Amino acid sequence: DTAVSQTPKYLVTQMGNDKSIKCEQNLGHDTMYWYKQDSKKFLKIMFSYNNKELIINETVPNRFSPKSPDKAHLNLHINSLELGDSAVYFCASSLGANTGELFFGEGSRLTVL
Amino acid sequence: SQQGEEDPQALSIQEGENATMNCSYKTSINNLQWYRQNSGRGLVHLILIRSNEREKHSGRLRVTLDTSKKSSSLLITASRAADTASYFCATGSINYGQNFVFGPGTRLSVLP
Repeated sequence: DTAVSQTPKYLVTQMGNDKSIKCEQNLGHDTMYWYKQDSKKFLKIMFSYNNKELIINETVPNRFSPKSPDKAHLNLHINSLELGDSAVYFCASSLGANTGELFFGEGSRLTVL
Repeated sequence: SQQGEEDPQALSIQEGENATMNCSYKTSINNLQWYRQNSGRGLVHLILIRSNEREKHSGRLRVTLDTSKKSSSLLITASRAADTASYFCATGSINYGQNFVFGPGTRLSVLP
């Protein structure tokens, strides 16, 4: 059983399009996250949700919107894609806020042409 | 910024040798974690050390934390080719909510 699963694994699209990446965790965790990893491997937090409530939102363009239908899911929707959005996006979860160990999905590689 | 920074950026060793990676950070923390990332995969948690701890062991891994120097080290003993990966430190602080801040990582290559 995959603990944190995200789909799709690969996504190639044109500038200006809208796309979504889905994430589900079956660990019963209360907190979920989206991280962006750029070509230099830097990992930046984008969003985190705790019990469906947005806790932190770093300086991310409002073209990015997280949506959490329930605490097991945190989807990432991106509007009007730009070249600079090309990256690998990782979903993660943890038992609770500040309780350590993050469990990561396998990543979704987004390429914007 | 409390971002951790790993040092060195890249490390290449022979199988059987020990590998040491360092992490420095800027602000006070509650805990520090180390993660491994194999190429094309997600990050996997290795070990967490709390701010009131100085050393932790897990199998061939040894992590130290020096809060006075704001630094941590990860030692992998008797390295294997399968240890080839990128290693990241991540700091957690109650002052930053759930913002576990990752450094840029150390790319470790273990040559057979």
